[in-house]
Amino acid sequence: KQEVTQIPAALSVPEGENLVLNCSFTDSAIYNLQWFRQDPGKGLTSLLLIQSSQREQTSGRLNASLDKSSGRSTLYIAASQPGDSATYLCASKGMDSSYKLIFGSGTRLLVRP
Amino acid sequence: NAGVTQTPKFQVLKTGQSMTLQCAQDMNHEYMSWYRQDPGMGLRLIHYSVGAGITDQGEVPNGYNVSRSTTEDFPLRLLSAAPSQTSVYFCASSYQRESIGELFFGEGSRLTVL
Repeated sequence: KQEVTQIPAALSVPEGENLVLNCSFTDSAIYNLQWFRQDPGKGLTSLLLIQSSQREQTSGRLNASLDKSSGRSTLYIAASQPGDSATYLCASKGMDSSYKLIFGSGTRLLVRP
Repeated sequence: NAGVTQTPKFQVLKTGQSMTLQCAQDMNHEYMSWYRQDPGMGLRLIHYSVGAGITDQGEVPNGYNVSRSTTEDFPLRLLSAAPSQTSVYFCASSYQRESIGELFFGEGSRLTVL
C-alpha cells in the first residue's frame, strides 16, 4: 500500500531564502505526482504535476523533481516571499487502474519578512 | 471562471440528521471526487466518479452516498450524521478520464456534527 510522507511538518525561513520541501513515497510504481498549495481555510491549488516519465517540472520560482528509484520528490522554491507562506502537500497516483490519489500530510511553511 | 463550487461553506448538524453537500464544476471534467480532511489524517478519498452514471468508493465511504446524474454535479449525502463525520470536505475534479490529471479543488465545506 502506497504511503506518502512529508518531512518536516513545519518549516520557518527568512524571506529571500531558497528552500526545498520533501515528499517520500514507498511504491515507485507511480503514474504521476502533484504538488499542491493550501492556504488557511481554503481549498488546495495544484502547483505542479509531474508525469512518471518526467524528471522535473518548472513554474516560475517553483521547480519540482521526481526520482522514482529513490521514492522521492522535492519542491524547490527560489527566493521565498512572505506570500509563499502556506501548507504544501504532495500526492501520488499509482500505476494501477484505480482513480485514487494518496496524499502526504503536508509541510506548513512560514516565510518571515 | 467559477471552477469547482461547493455549498454550503459551513454546516452544523445534530447526530442522526441527514444532509447533502453540493458540488458543481463548469470545466466539463469527467472525473469528480470527494475528500475529507482531518488534522493528523491528511486528505482521504470518500467517493469518486469518472462520468455521469458512474461512481465508486474510495478509502472511507461508510456513512456517505453519492450519485452523478450530470457531468457538472456530484452531491455527497450524509444519511445519518455521526460526530466522527465532523470534518472539512473538499470536492475536486480533473480533466482526464483515463487517469487523474491536474486536480481542481473547491473551497471546502466545514461540517460539525454535535
